[in-house]
Amino acid sequence: KAGVTQTPRYLIKTRGQQVTLSCSPISGHRSVSWYQQTPGQGLQFLFEYFSETQRNKGNFPGRFSGRQFSNSRSEMNVSTLELGDSALYLCASSNAPEETQYFGPGTRLLVL
Amino acid sequence: AQSVSQHNHHVILSEAASLELGCNYSYGGTVNLFWYVQYPGQHLQLLLKYFSGDPLVKGIKGFEAEFIKSKFSFNLRKPSVQWSDTAEYFCAAVYTGTASKLTFGTGTRLQVTL
Repeated sequence: KAGVTQTPRYLIKTRGQQVTLSCSPISGHRSVSWYQQTPGQGLQFLFEYFSETQRNKGNFPGRFSGRQFSNSRSEMNVSTLELGDSALYLCASSNAPEETQYFGPGTRLLVL
Repeated sequence: AQSVSQHNHHVILSEAASLELGCNYSYGGTVNLFWYVQYPGQHLQLLLKYFSGDPLVKGIKGFEAEFIKSKFSFNLRKPSVQWSDTAEYFCAAVYTGTASKLTFGTGTRLQVTL
């Protein structure tokens, strides 16, 4: 089976812009979660979707949003980018909530 | 609050040395526990997991971990490390009722010298 794929892999944006990141889960997986990884804060949970519904949300501002499509693919959007949003954004998928999550390679976002 | 703590931030070992990385989780009900590894330039990979049953779980590449409920611990061990084990190791927990929210520890950077 193909693993979790994320596009794009690298992205450079400027402050104030918005960005959309995409994640395709492992075939058959219906749960998709997003995480932000930074040197200072480590790995932090953003949100989780299952069957197109957001089931849980981390402690991030409303500028961070996401959605899931009927084919389980997911997107996350960050509006009005700030320098502090520079990070590696990881997507993970699982068969169902609370099952083992498998991670993609991430999208590295640099905000200038 | 639900949290996971890893006591060792940076560990340096010689090849063939034994490894034990500490992980403690806060009380919050039933938990599923995981160790993930991130090799340089690669994505997070699952090393092993504990959901229930035998508290000693074996994972890939010779790693094992022991769940000790009374100590809220899930320490990772390997009897003899190799240079290729150089990586960052993350302990994580999913608390029942939080869907797929993985709560991660801060990670331990392991450096294995020849």
